Amino acid sequence: GAVVSQHPSRVICKSGTSVKIECRSLDFQATTMFWYRQFPKQSLMLMATSNEGSKATYEQGVEKDKFLINHASLTLSTLTVTSAHPEDSSFYICSARDYGQGIFYEQFFGPGTRLTVL
Amino acid sequence: AQSVTQLDSHVSVSEGTPVLLRCNYSSSYSPSLFWYVQHPNKGLQLLLKYTSAATLVKGINGFEAEFKKSETSFHLTKPSAHMSDAAEYFCVVSAPSGGSYIPTFGRGTSLIVHP
Repeated sequence: GAVVSQHPSRVICKSGTSVKIECRSLDFQATTMFWYRQFPKQSLMLMATSNEGSKATYEQGVEKDKFLINHASLTLSTLTVTSAHPEDSSFYICSARDYGQGIFYEQFFGPGTRLTVL
Repeated sequence: AQSVTQLDSHVSVSEGTPVLLRCNYSSSYSPSLFWYVQHPNKGLQLLLKYTSAATLVKGINGFEAEFKKSETSFHLTKPSAHMSDAAEYFCVVSAPSGGSYIPTFGRGTSLIVHP
């Protein structure tokens, strides 16, 4: 099946710094990628939908200036957590859809990035 | 609008016994439905999907699910649980919404398997 990678898998940073997380579709083109946040023992919360070449669509309650999303190519989307604070500590997961193989509705998930803000 | 209800937050079974994880959905359109599994600190892996073909869907690792439109259900089953099945399971519905398909996740069901 299609593979989505995330980098880094784990990051620890100081409060006030910015962190960039990359999401790549390795063997397919992804015109749409999704960014999720997951707290311990909870479901995934959709943060934003990222479309290649256009601005991301953020879910209600998600600060777009806090969580910057860039989808510059068909295989790469980035999430930048700006001026991170301890409450931003979470597990961030991206997913991508492969439009090219006729599996329009299926998402392929990255392995996740564990962010810890000290 | 669409929504997903996973009726049980936890399901506990003994190894070798059947597994049933329940999922009900609501959608204004014919939906696609998915079950994903997540092991601790890992990403999500697709178990199976329903996309308007056969209503009984077989997935990986012996799991299957049946789409029942009249009951708006998509329950996940497995005849015999294995210790390695212990994980978090998510039911997901995806249907047209404003020209795109935005997936909606259930809250998840934690499957506990006892020796």
